[in-house]
Amino acid sequence: AQSVTQPDIHITVSEGASLELRCNYSYGATPYLFWYVQSPGQGLQLLLKYFSGDTLVQGIKGFEAEFKRSQSSFNLRKPSVHWSDAAEYFCAVGGDTGGFKTIFGAGTRLFVKA
Amino acid sequence: NAGVTQTPKFQVLKTGQSMTLQCAQDMNHEYMSWYRQDPGMGLRLIHYSVGAGITDQGEVPNGYNVSRSTTEDFPLRLLSAAPSQTSVYFCASGGPGTQYFGPGTRLLVL
Repeated sequence: AQSVTQPDIHITVSEGASLELRCNYSYGATPYLFWYVQSPGQGLQLLLKYFSGDTLVQGIKGFEAEFKRSQSSFNLRKPSVHWSDAAEYFCAVGGDTGGFKTIFGAGTRLFVKA
Repeated sequence: NAGVTQTPKFQVLKTGQSMTLQCAQDMNHEYMSWYRQDPGMGLRLIHYSVGAGITDQGEVPNGYNVSRSTTEDFPLRLLSAAPSQTSVYFCASGGPGTQYFGPGTRLLVL
């Protein structure tokens, strides 16, 4: 069965520190992988996506993610966190429909300390 | 372009009442979908559509109906609301590899 696991319910980092949010997936075929961000009271915004090719994917707002097939992981990273990055982050996996019938993880809430 | 719009933004219902959540997109996308978001559970797919006249069930379809008579609109109907349907509902539209989400409808069922 398809599933996405985000092991960390919440993470707190200091402003300027590096960030890594973990994501593990289970999918029977070649996965399409996504990271979304949701600010309080807002909808979801796509940060980046991976379909094929280079396993290191660059996204908006300085985020990147690395696809590791052997570990079934798609972790999100940012070298230096800004206070405005405080939000909830969702990892998602979809099939060759290109993102539809997408399965979302439960999310990781990021808190940023001044 | 307005993108994906949802109405209403907030709704309170009594158990047993019916209502329709509206979703519209002006990007000529074939794919549209409805999700519900509950604390600690991420987003769960309710129903989706791959084009006008074509709909299918997602992970949690019970208690919800959909139809897709036009490319632009994809309404979600609650025939008899239950407290378990208290949630935030997101509509999304897109094409291959991309989904654009609406701002959400917050529904409270008493």
